[in-house]
Amino acid sequence: AQSVTQLGSHVSVSEGALVLLRCNYSSSVPPYLFWYVQYPNQGLQLLLKYTSAATLVKGINGFEAEFKKSETSFHLTKPSAHMSDAAEYFCAVRDSGGGADGLTFGKGTHLIIQP
Amino acid sequence: EAGVTQFPSHSVIEKGQTVTLRCDPISGHDNLYWYRRVMGKEIKFLLHFVKESKQDESGMPNNRFLAERTGGTYSTLKVQPAELEDSGVYFCASSQGRVGEQFFGPGTRLTVL
Repeated sequence: AQSVTQLGSHVSVSEGALVLLRCNYSSSVPPYLFWYVQYPNQGLQLLLKYTSAATLVKGINGFEAEFKKSETSFHLTKPSAHMSDAAEYFCAVRDSGGGADGLTFGKGTHLIIQP
Repeated sequence: EAGVTQFPSHSVIEKGQTVTLRCDPISGHDNLYWYRRVMGKEIKFLLHFVKESKQDESGMPNNRFLAERTGGTYSTLKVQPAELEDSGVYFCASSQGRVGEQFFGPGTRLTVL
């Protein structure tokens, strides 16, 4: 069975500082990996995805993530935080082997931006 | 283009009552998913439709939950009878193909008292 671990339910950074949100997964084969963001009172929005092409994936709003098979990680980064980045972020995996299509999510990380 | 819509946005019911949640996917999306987030926990997959057929319902908690997608358009998720532990946010998502991006609705917050 797949599982996703997001370290830290809340992460606080200063505006302009580096954002690093951690995600580790457990899967028998390298899965497809996703980062979603949820702003208040909105649905989840896809930030970026890894589907076995380039290991460094660039997404929207200046975010990127790197797939590291040896570390079973898919950490999300942004060089310079903006106040508008304050939201909840979810890492998710999906089977890449033609099996189930439902996503398995981590518990989410609230990103807090300090002025 | 309209996104995934869900109705109602909030629902408060008494234990033992019935509630029906509705999801309208993006037009043309054959794949429709239901997820649930119980407070403090992760978002969990409930089931997956391809058109009107249930492709995977392995995440459905028990037989008090019934999902339908008549005609392959909108979907309903009925909880009957509701229990306290059913409280949470129910998300719907749709995608154009099985490997396509899943677009999420804003969710329905269900509170069972």
